[in-house]
Amino acid sequence: DAKTTQPPSMDCAEGRAANLPCNHSTISGNEYVYWYRQIHSQGPQYIIHGLKNNETNEMASLIITEDRKSSTLILPHATLRDTAVYYCIVRSILDTGRRALTFGSGTRLQVQP
Amino acid sequence: KAGVTQTPRYLIKTRGQQVTLSCSPISGHRSVSWYQQTPGQGLQFLFEYFSETQRNKGNFPGRFSGRQFSNSRSEMNVSTLELGDSALYLCASSVEMGYEQYFGPGTRLTVT
Repeated sequence: DAKTTQPPSMDCAEGRAANLPCNHSTISGNEYVYWYRQIHSQGPQYIIHGLKNNETNEMASLIITEDRKSSTLILPHATLRDTAVYYCIVRSILDTGRRALTFGSGTRLQVQP
Repeated sequence: KAGVTQTPRYLIKTRGQQVTLSCSPISGHRSVSWYQQTPGQGLQFLFEYFSETQRNKGNFPGRFSGRQFSNSRSEMNVSTLELGDSALYLCASSVEMGYEQYFGPGTRLTVT
């Protein structure tokens, strides 16, 4: 599996954009970038995923660099409820052996009032 | 649409016993995956089911098993429980294999 590297923690002021980086320099052509978050003691929540183009949904935007070696998850207006551990995951949906979600340590985002 | 439901939410068992956990996927979802989360190992993949067949398996001993029913509901079983099996067990469902997975709230198992 392509490994991902994320900062262990980040702070963000409420109402500001939160930009969470992820490095995945060994990603292969058929691997997608997925983002999940987990609020304490709850199940992980799907946020967004993409292959090569930037993606946006009601929760967040995903910016993937042209060489696909890194990406950034953007929460446009962070609220206190966005405080969570954010996981960047690289996943191959075609290869059975690499289809499972492989969670690393993630980034602990603390939104400050 | 209702989310993934897991029962029971909390469970306490004794070493050597066995346990069965249940997962009901989101309506229309046909793939179910199971994960174990512990403070030491983080979130780890157990297995994936689709059309009542195990399609993928993580690196866990044979004491961990599962099955899926024709209505896509799934159960996982852990036999001969060990203290190290204490964990949050998470079920995730997706429309098909390879699609985004949606997680349930988990079952917290404590083995004493």
